[in-house]
Amino acid sequence: DAKTTQPTSMDCAEGRAANLPCNHSTISGNEYVYWYRQIHSQGPQYIIHGLKNNETNEMASLIITEDRKSSTLILPHATLRDTAVYYCIVRVFQGGSEKLVFGKGTKLTVNP
Amino acid sequence: DTGVSQDPRHKITKRGQNVTFRCDPISEHNRLYWYRQTLGQGPEFLTYFQNEAQLEKSRLLSDRFSAERPKGSFSTLEIQRTEQGDSAMYLCASSLGRSGGSYNEQFFGPGTRLTVL
Repeated sequence: DAKTTQPTSMDCAEGRAANLPCNHSTISGNEYVYWYRQIHSQGPQYIIHGLKNNETNEMASLIITEDRKSSTLILPHATLRDTAVYYCIVRVFQGGSEKLVFGKGTKLTVNP
Repeated sequence: DTGVSQDPRHKITKRGQNVTFRCDPISEHNRLYWYRQTLGQGPEFLTYFQNEAQLEKSRLLSDRFSAERPKGSFSTLEIQRTEQGDSAMYLCASSLGRSGGSYNEQFFGPGTRLTVL
């Protein structure tokens, strides 16, 4: 699985968009980008995933660059409850065991 | 609440004792995962079950660790002769394995925090 690089921490004002970057320069053609988040004292929560097209769901948008070497998770209107550690994971979606390999993630703090 | 429950939520034990944790996945989920998370780190994969079969184990899972999923429903993780280095949060996740090319998101439980004194 390709390695990812994320900033250790970020801050965002409540109500503003939070843009969380992830670098995955060694990603290969069949590897997907997944995002999970972990709110303090809870288990991780799935947010979104994508291969090469931009994706949007009720939680967030995922923008993947054309060369697929980086991506950005966008929380359009951050709330205090979005304060969490956000993990960017790159792996092949191949069925079978879909184990996740987490890095240290980005600690996002949403400030009032 | 994701629908995945873990018991107990907290466990304090003395070094050398055995401990057992339980995970109840979402009822229709055939896949179950165990992860371990230490302070400041992301979760690390330990093992994976599809129904009752344990199909993958991490090298992190030493011979003091054993996991079962006897009827393809709940799962237990036992640690024998605990060491202080076993202190961590133990997370369980489940997913519905479907064929056809769709990603099966994992739903995580709240975890069991183990402290070994």
